[in-house]
Amino acid sequence: QSALTQPASVSGSPGQSITISCTGTSSDVGSYNFVSWYQQHPGKAPKLMIYEVSKRPSGVSNRFSGSKSGNTATLTISGLQAEDEADYYCCSYAGHSIYVFGIGTKVTVL
Amino acid sequence: EEQVVESGGGLVQPGGSLRLSCAASGFTFNTCWMTWVRQAPGKGLEWVANIRYDGSEEFYVDSVKGRFTISRDNAKNSLYLQMNSLRAEDTAVYYCVRDHGYGNFDPWGQGTLVTVSS
Repeated sequence: QSALTQPASVSGSPGQSITISCTGTSSDVGSYNFVSWYQQHPGKAPKLMIYEVSKRPSGVSNRFSGSKSGNTATLTISGLQAEDEADYYCCSYAGHSIYVFGIGTKVTVL
Repeated sequence: EEQVVESGGGLVQPGGSLRLSCAASGFTFNTCWMTWVRQAPGKGLEWVANIRYDGSEEFYVDSVKGRFTISRDNAKNSLYLQMNSLRAEDTAVYYCVRDHGYGNFDPWGQGTLVTVSS
């Protein structure tokens, strides 16, 4: 049950696109299309942004998209906005009703 | 509106016990898997435990197995986390979340802070 690997930080200018990677193993990310992404602003509870690799919950901007290849999932934020500055966490199903989160990525809007 | 509200956090000495509660509303609680997720101060999210909608199955992260017990009372739309033999490394904000299936965790409560310290 090791945490998924994410870059510690990613930055971009307003309007740009950024990507956040989430690397696991063949026992979690690589085996299941059940990767979700969460946004967390300081002092706030996490918010679901993407589930089942690429699905967006109602109310989440279409600037957020997800994909997966092999053992790595990716969150893309297009048209970066100041309000997107936050921490982002991936999460993967790891079998046997167990889940594992990523270590988190701090997104900075320059 | 779907909502969960956690309570029961506080300061406890190492080796002590604490019971967290979560009150759910706005959804059919007795058809939903429920999960506890925690976040140590300044750290990332950690999945802790979950429980099947009827309470018949429970699963835990290795670090809390044998010390924590997740349970639910569907008649009261409530989720619980009994934490025993607490350690300093259990210090965290504990979140109650509904699992729509396979890691689709939503909604999240505001969390309840557990501090383990002498």
